[in-house]
Amino acid sequence: DTEVTQTPKHLVMGMTNKKSLKCEQHMGHRAMYWYKQKAKKPPELMFVYSYEKLSINESVPSRFSPECPNSSLLNLHLHALQPEDSALYLCASSQRRQGNPYGYTFGSGTRLTVV
Amino acid sequence: TQLLEQSPQFLSIQEGENLTVYCNSSSVFSSLQWYRQEPGEGPVLLVTVVTGGEVKKLKRLTFQFGDARKDSSLHITAAQPGDTGLYLCAGALESTGNQFYFGTGTSLTVIP
Repeated sequence: DTEVTQTPKHLVMGMTNKKSLKCEQHMGHRAMYWYKQKAKKPPELMFVYSYEKLSINESVPSRFSPECPNSSLLNLHLHALQPEDSALYLCASSQRRQGNPYGYTFGSGTRLTVV
Repeated sequence: TQLLEQSPQFLSIQEGENLTVYCNSSSVFSSLQWYRQEPGEGPVLLVTVVTGGEVKKLKRLTFQFGDARKDSSLHITAAQPGDTGLYLCAGALESTGNQFYFGTGTSLTVIP
């Protein structure tokens, strides 16, 4: 299995809703990432988990809350989002975070629209 | 200021033409990757280069890593509409323990 699976593929939520994005990989990768991407722009790093521990939080607002229940799963909990948070949210994994020259495997992303 | 600058930012060409995309930095990278991303999908890894001066070919795509490991180029020969997408370089920065940084992106449109 060489895939990163993200669900749902599309999500529309109101500003008072609570929702979660899910990401799963079974490649034995020990680093997992959340990125946010606007149209035709590069992905922006949000969070990094290394060996199931949060190692990087790129000053992301608290309305985004990551969770790594085990080495294969990564969640992103959403609460009280703003319309400007609408974007493609990408999950990625890699063999390890540091000393890794091999690049990332990305999921297909969740297209989030906040109304 | 972005660590990795790509040029051009946008490129629209006719099918059959050749093109080159550049990824430049003043920093040294231990490795550099190129990704292609189609609309509504995640980036897909095309190649990883790790040695200064390295050249890799993937069908009509040729990737080069600069001798000093500060820059890279992607050359596409006889572009096809299926090459359309956002091309991203990403480098593992030596001085930060190989943390990855993405380039600014190049949006390519190949017109049939």
